[in-house]
Amino acid sequence: GEDVEQSLFLSVREGDSSVINCTYTDSSSTYLYWYKQEPGAGLQLLTYIFSNMDMKQDQRLTVLLNKKDKHLSLRIADTQTGDSAIYFCAGAAGSSASKIIFGSGTRLSIRP
Amino acid sequence: DTAVSQTPKYLVTQMGNDKSIKCEQNLGHDTMYWYKQDSKKFLKIMFSYNNKELIINETVPNRFSPKSPDKAHLNLHINSLELGDSAVYFCASSPVTSGAPRETQYFGPGTRLLVL
Repeated sequence: GEDVEQSLFLSVREGDSSVINCTYTDSSSTYLYWYKQEPGAGLQLLTYIFSNMDMKQDQRLTVLLNKKDKHLSLRIADTQTGDSAIYFCAGAAGSSASKIIFGSGTRLSIRP
Repeated sequence: DTAVSQTPKYLVTQMGNDKSIKCEQNLGHDTMYWYKQDSKKFLKIMFSYNNKELIINETVPNRFSPKSPDKAHLNLHINSLELGDSAVYFCASSPVTSGAPRETQYFGPGTRLLVL
């Protein structure tokens, strides 16, 4: 089955760029997602990328997809304190696409 | 305005009790889900319903029984609660039509269950 892996922690200085990485195993994933979870809250969809795209940009967010290496990254430009959260990478498991597999989440902390 | 709502937000109960968590979505989505998030924040799918029919049933103890009275509601009933059931339970829903990808899921705020 699909396996999605992420590093657990990332610490960046306020104003720098944050890059959160993710690897996945199921090459048939149609869409790949990034979700954000703030403390005590539910998951919020940040962005998604279709599997035939290499890059998607949405304001401060840039998603890069390397399908050959099954590697997905999320870059947050000009990181702010409000970006402190856990970021989950997720992929749809197989062609049925009704089941999403989440990574373990990367906890992003911002230093002044 | 609320898209996916869950009740209660917090639930503290004794071991051995039976409890229910309710979920409602007003997005018109056909598919709804229950996830369990453990203390390490690992998120795992438990069940998925499409138009009131069960389509995903992961390895979950029989003590957990989902019920979908209509496509806007998916409730989770838990019998004989155990200490290991303590977690945050998230409900989610996903659309059928595009506008968003078919699989994109929208999450509720979570129900924090503590079993003593």
